[in-house]
Amino acid sequence: EPEVTQTPSHQVTQMGQEVILRCVPISNHLYFYWYRQILGQKVEFLVSFYNNEISEKSEIFDDQFSVERPDGSNFTLKIRSTKLEDSAMYFCASVGGAGNQPQHFGDGTRLSIL
Amino acid sequence: EDQVTQSPEALRLQEGESSSLNCSYTVSGLRGLFWYRQDPGKGPEFLFTLYSAGEEKEKERLKATLTKKESFLHITAPKPEDSATYLCAVQALADFGNEKLTFGTGTRLTIIP
Repeated sequence: EPEVTQTPSHQVTQMGQEVILRCVPISNHLYFYWYRQILGQKVEFLVSFYNNEISEKSEIFDDQFSVERPDGSNFTLKIRSTKLEDSAMYFCASVGGAGNQPQHFGDGTRLSIL
Repeated sequence: EDQVTQSPEALRLQEGESSSLNCSYTVSGLRGLFWYRQDPGKGPEFLFTLYSAGEEKEKERLKATLTKKESFLHITAPKPEDSATYLCAVQALADFGNEKLTFGTGTRLTIIP
């Protein structure tokens, strides 16, 4: 069964450094998302992406965050200058089309900021 | 603002002991309510989508139901492999083709052999 893959599984970074999290959505999917989950808290929406542009972003997704789909298969989340509070699990999700289809999630990247 | 509240936070059951998990929600207009299973260190794994009040979906030992204010995930005769965190999420009606999900905090289910 097709799946969303994310790399790396764990990223350790010094505060203030830039980090790029990578995702390969399910082939032929059209809508892409990033969510994060701080330890012990709920999964929170960050940003949605469709037709090569951001569709919606949350208050968390400030100027330090950016997303890109550099080619036909990858979807990336960049944090320009990481803060301690960026430590979390980051999940990528994709869905095939509009309507009620379920979003399929990857297994996440655990980001640890030192 | 869309809100999802799940209860209980944690539930321990003996193997074979049936129970229900609750998800209460408020949303401006419901496009769909989703149940996911999350194992430790993994991403949410899709289980069910419910679209309208009165709808029910079943998969093995799990059955999900929906009313206008809440959803229940019933687990019948659970086994240890059913141990996981069960997440409820809502998706609102909007112009955009596939809106974000708003999640609850989940119910951590432990099945004791």
